[in-house]
Amino acid sequence: DIQMTQSPSSLSASVGDRVTITCRASQSISTYLNWYQQQKPGKAPKLLIYGASSLQSGVPSRFSGSESGTDYTLTISSLQPEDFATYYCQQNYNTPYTFGQGTKLEIK
Amino acid sequence: EVQLLESGGGLAQPGGSLRLSCAASGFTFSDYVMTWVRQAPGKGLEWVSTISHSGGSTYYADSVKGRFTISRDNSKNTLYLQMSSLRAEDTAIYYCAKDTSWGIFDHWGQGTLVTVSS
Repeated sequence: DIQMTQSPSSLSASVGDRVTITCRASQSISTYLNWYQQQKPGKAPKLLIYGASSLQSGVPSRFSGSESGTDYTLTISSLQPEDFATYYCQQNYNTPYTFGQGTKLEIK
Repeated sequence: EVQLLESGGGLAQPGGSLRLSCAASGFTFSDYVMTWVRQAPGKGLEWVSTISHSGGSTYYADSVKGRFTISRDNSKNTLYLQMSSLRAEDTAIYYCAKDTSWGIFDHWGQGTLVTVSS
């Protein structure tokens, strides 16, 4: 199975900050990498980025994704109050599809 | 508007069974792969199972293989997850998700809670 390792596991930031979350795959996944936002546990996740860098329709442009080898990055350019949530990466290179452990973004 | 509405969750005893349903609307259900993802209390997301458009191909996580069966009824726009031989570690919120391209989950239901306990 492909292991997805996210860092950091938690992050404190302020409104207006630029933040970066990283996800490392245990093997090459050829940009088959997606990012999701979950506002709180028990609420439905929301697709933000697919294919490592494609912005899902309706998602604000302050969200972006990039790739460097087996490392994938989600960047939020200027944090808004509604962005404080938990973020998950997920590979869809093959089954079993696997998620990172999550990064909880909290207000400083 | 895409809507996915799960039902069928509840309390089950270890070794018991439950069947989850996911009623879909707002899109042509038979055109899309569908998936179940779960989230144990306080934990992250875990992929459970995926089914092809026609239902002819199914895929399972090792943790549920042989115990869970995914199926769909395209005439009823409904996805199912038959769960048997339930274990305490199956306790989770189960989400159904519309799968836009084999592993890209672009719409999710609100989830249904399954609790396995004696």
